Amino acid sequence: EIVLTQSPATLSLSPGERATLSCRASQSVGTNLAWYRQRPGQAPGLLIYQTSNRAAGIPARFSGSGSGTDFTLTISSLEPEDFAVYYCQQRGTWPLTFGGGTKVEIK
Amino acid sequence: QVQLEESGGGVVQPGRSLRLSCAASGFAFNSYGMHWIRQAPGKGLEWVAVIGHDGGHIDYADSVKGHFTVSRENSENTLYLQMNSLRAEDTALYYCARDKDIGHFDYWGQGTVVTVSS
Repeated sequence: EIVLTQSPATLSLSPGERATLSCRASQSVGTNLAWYRQRPGQAPGLLIYQTSNRAAGIPARFSGSGSGTDFTLTISSLEPEDFAVYYCQQRGTWPLTFGGGTKVEIK
Repeated sequence: QVQLEESGGGVVQPGRSLRLSCAASGFAFNSYGMHWIRQAPGKGLEWVAVIGHDGGHIDYADSVKGHFTVSRENSENTLYLQMNSLRAEDTALYYCARDKDIGHFDYWGQGTVVTVSS
């Protein structure tokens, strides 16, 4: 199965700052990668699918890029609701797999 | 609006069975594949199973293959997960999620907790 490694494990930033999250795949997944945000006590929600497409209702401060094995989620200016855990997930090869998550915390 | 509501979780002894349900509303259930995804306490997400819109495509994570069975009843807008021979490592919050583009998840329920303990 494809292993997704997310870095860093924790990102300490202030509201308004830019966040850059990384996801690396153990083998190519093409552009078949998504990002989810999980706020404390809530279910995950889709942010980005197919590497760079924002899901319905997701603001433009979220953007995704990459291909093959290296992917990035960028949050241009952190809002209070963005302090959460972020997961990448691939659909390039079954079984579907998730990364271990990056926690974005308030500095 | 799209709503997914899981039920059926609880505390169960190792080796016993449990059936989870996911009631869907707000969309054409029979047009979408559906997934089960779980999250062990304090851990990350693990995909568990998928079933195609008509039940034709079914797949499982290796960790549950042979002891979990996914099914659906389109006339009732309901997804199921039959869990047999439960083990301590099956303890988790179980989410159902709607499929997007065959392998992403665009809507999630709030989950139901399964605890396997003697």
